[in-house]
Amino acid sequence: DVKVTQSSRYLVKRTGEKVFLECVQDMDHENMFWYRQDPGLGLRLIYFSYDVKMKEKGDIPEGYSVSREKKERFSLILESASTNQTSMYLCASSPRDTHTEAFFGQGTRLTVV
Amino acid sequence: AQTVTQSQPEMSVQEAETVTLSCTYDTSENNYYLFWYKQPPSRQMILVIRQEAYKQQNATENRFSVNFQKAAKSFSLKISDSQLGDTAMYFCAFMNLQGAQKLVFGQGTRLTINP
Repeated sequence: DVKVTQSSRYLVKRTGEKVFLECVQDMDHENMFWYRQDPGLGLRLIYFSYDVKMKEKGDIPEGYSVSREKKERFSLILESASTNQTSMYLCASSPRDTHTEAFFGQGTRLTVV
Repeated sequence: AQTVTQSQPEMSVQEAETVTLSCTYDTSENNYYLFWYKQPPSRQMILVIRQEAYKQQNATENRFSVNFQKAAKSFSLKISDSQLGDTAMYFCAFMNLQGAQKLVFGQGTRLTINP
């Protein structure tokens, strides 16, 4: 059974804190993605990675960074959390051969107070 | 840059009816995939159907089918004989196949099936 696991389902952090959201996949996928989901805005791509140590900016990278030191793990970092980063964060992975679809984690609902 | 647009924020139909969700996209790529994903209240994203751009034949999966119009850059989802379990958010998505494979989503359509 394929799996994408996000480290937390719910998270509450204070403004200014450094926040790490972790995502691990067990399918040996090359591609990994981080999205935020907000009502009316759908899923917006923050960053993605197509290989170890490789990353590309998505549509809304400001205020975020990522790390991919190992193929199975893709971390999203909020350098200094702000209230406007309160959102649902979704991680996904897909193989380079996209005859298989992307698989998603269960999401992390982050609240910044 | 690729963009995906879903112009229907919400839709509501009666059980057993047929419903069509709209999606348009913009790209200069020639090789790509299109997807419809479903997100029920559990939040878990589930693939509904997938279409390869090089295939002219529209994809079908049981009660779900697409109308893929490549020249018009349109990719609508038809759900036949709708069921209460089809109630969910539906997202249209695009992935280019060349270079860095970016997966881009639309704004979503909230579909409610009424008994």
